[in-house]
Amino acid sequence: EAQVTQNPRYLITVTGKKLTVTCSQNMNHEYMSWYRQDPGLGLRQIYYSMNVEVTDKGDVPEGYKVSRKEKRNFPLILESPSPNQTSLYFCASSLLAGGLYQETQYFGPGTRLLVL
Amino acid sequence: QQQVKQSPQSLIVQKGGISIINCAYENTAFDYFPWYQQFPGKGPALLIAIRPDVSEKKEGRFTISFNKSAKQFSLHIMDSQPGDSATYFCAPGSQGGSEKLVFGKGTKLTVNP
Repeated sequence: EAQVTQNPRYLITVTGKKLTVTCSQNMNHEYMSWYRQDPGLGLRQIYYSMNVEVTDKGDVPEGYKVSRKEKRNFPLILESPSPNQTSLYFCASSLLAGGLYQETQYFGPGTRLLVL
Repeated sequence: QQQVKQSPQSLIVQKGGISIINCAYENTAFDYFPWYQQFPGKGPALLIAIRPDVSEKKEGRFTISFNKSAKQFSLHIMDSQPGDSATYFCAPGSQGGSEKLVFGKGTKLTVNP
């Protein structure tokens, strides 16, 4: 089954304790992205990756890191989480037709993070 | 500067009614206009999308209307059903343009039985 998986689905942590949220897709998509969803603010892009070893900042990258060592995986790293990073996080992937054209975004099920 | 404006923020419709959600954008390079649907506890999923070579696309009860000169596109849900209750997002994009994606802030639709 074609899908985007995220782990963990729920996470409670404390300020300053490093954490990683994993994201994996089995559709051979070039483009992968992380979003956070907050009430009233909708979906905001944190980081994106056009392909392996190619990553760039979205609109709200502060406090986050990413890496793209393999095509299928795109982990989100919070080196020193703070309470303002409490949110619902989504990973997504899509084809880049012709290397340029973004197609439909396929979203994972989400990771709900609470930072105390 | 906000690139995508979605309205209304919330919408309550009676069963059988028509739901209309609008998305206005600024970037004239956009040439892919999708609507995503998100149910509580789930990730968003593509509902319907349109390219600018047509002004309207219909899939079942869902229709996208596109107005290039006004730089806006709309989602119409005919004969709205309680199962349509969800949050809807627009996320226009472009070929060869910025790789960033900007979503509208979402419209929470409630369809009352």
